[in-house]
Amino acid sequence: KAGVTQTPRYLIKTRGQQVTLSCSPISGHRSVSWYQQTPGQGLQFLFEYFSETQRNKGNFPGRFSGRQFSNSRSEMNVSTLELGDSALYLCASSLSAQTYGYTFGSGTRLTVV
Amino acid sequence: GENVGLHLPTLSVQEGDNSIINCAYSNSASDYFIWYKQESGKGPQFIIDIRSNMDKRQGQRVTVLLNKTVKHLSLQIAATQPGDSAVYFCASSTGANSKLTFGKGITLSVRP
Repeated sequence: KAGVTQTPRYLIKTRGQQVTLSCSPISGHRSVSWYQQTPGQGLQFLFEYFSETQRNKGNFPGRFSGRQFSNSRSEMNVSTLELGDSALYLCASSLSAQTYGYTFGSGTRLTVV
Repeated sequence: GENVGLHLPTLSVQEGDNSIINCAYSNSASDYFIWYKQESGKGPQFIIDIRSNMDKRQGQRVTVLLNKTVKHLSLQIAATQPGDSAVYFCASSTGANSKLTFGKGITLSVRP
């Protein structure tokens, strides 16, 4: 079966712009979580969606937001981009709203210049 | 807040030797632990997990040990192969919280 698909793979944006990243979970998976990965901070939890509802949120500013659609696909948006937002953004999906059976996508590499 | 960390940033082993990667966690409420492997250009890949009601779990060439008394987790890789070269992360969560807390990551380098 197809894995978790994240698009685009690479993005270059300018400070102040906004960006939208997309994640298509494994078929049948209803939970989608987002993580930010940087060399300095490692992997940090952004938020988790289940059945179109945000169930959990990490310690990121309000510029980071997300949503989930009825087909479980999810998007995350970052507004007013800062240089420090440059990172690998990872999406993971699982069957339920727990971490068992988490499968990660390959990520979207965002560079802010 | 919860802190999950790895003791060493890099580990170099000879091909065929056993590797041991260690991890400490701080939240005593953590009840689920996972080891991930991340290769360049890819997302983390599940290796093995363990729940807090166990102290050892074995997979194919890998074993995870959990010591809840000292809040320590380890990953043992038997007969390490060049394909095992990657960054390894430990992560933990609680039953009521779907969020994973990751350690910083350790690079495993396998010498031929």
